[in-house]
Amino acid sequence: AQSVTQPDIHITVSEGASLELRCNYSYGATPYLFWYVQSPGQGLQLLLKYFSGDTLVQGIKGFEAEFKRSQSSFNLRKPSVHWSDAAEYFCAVGGDNDMRFGAGTRLTVKP
Amino acid sequence: GAVVSQHPSRVICKSGTSVKIECRSLDFQATTMFWYRQFPKQSLMLMATSNEGSKATYEQGVEKDKFLINHASLTLSTLTVTSAHPEDSSFYICSARDPPAPRETQYFGPGTRLLVL
Repeated sequence: AQSVTQPDIHITVSEGASLELRCNYSYGATPYLFWYVQSPGQGLQLLLKYFSGDTLVQGIKGFEAEFKRSQSSFNLRKPSVHWSDAAEYFCAVGGDNDMRFGAGTRLTVKP
Repeated sequence: GAVVSQHPSRVICKSGTSVKIECRSLDFQATTMFWYRQFPKQSLMLMATSNEGSKATYEQGVEKDKFLINHASLTLSTLTVTSAHPEDSSFYICSARDPPAPRETQYFGPGTRLLVL
């Protein structure tokens, strides 16, 4: 069965610092992998996705993620965090008509 | 990009009443819509998959008689929480697939916060 693990419930970084959010997955076939961001009281916004091809994918807002099959990971990175990046981040894995989300990582940005 | 709306954004109701939540795809036709619920500080949990013109497919553990889903048109799916109880209080989010878009691209609505007193 597919599952997604985000080991970090809460991360705090200083504005301007680099960021890496971890995501590990379990999936029987080649997964489709996603990162979403949810601001308080709002719906989810897709940051980036991986279907196939280049394992380093670029997303919106300066985010990128790297698919590492050997480690079953799809970690999200950003070289320099902005205060507006404070939000909840969800990693998700899916196939046809089934998508599983991680528990989320809450990002706090210190001035 | 594609837009999905939900109505209402927030609803408070008394225990025992039924509440209907609408999910609309505003600028595309969605053959498939998904309903999720999110408890505070927890992840989204898929409740059901709704296909236009057919019965919804419910995830294990989700009561189909309690959470009625109707996907009567290509732009509208409704979730009705019947005989709501305080434990049904949650944040309900829908998403929709736009078939021409890359596979598994889902567009999410803003969510509906339900509070049952």
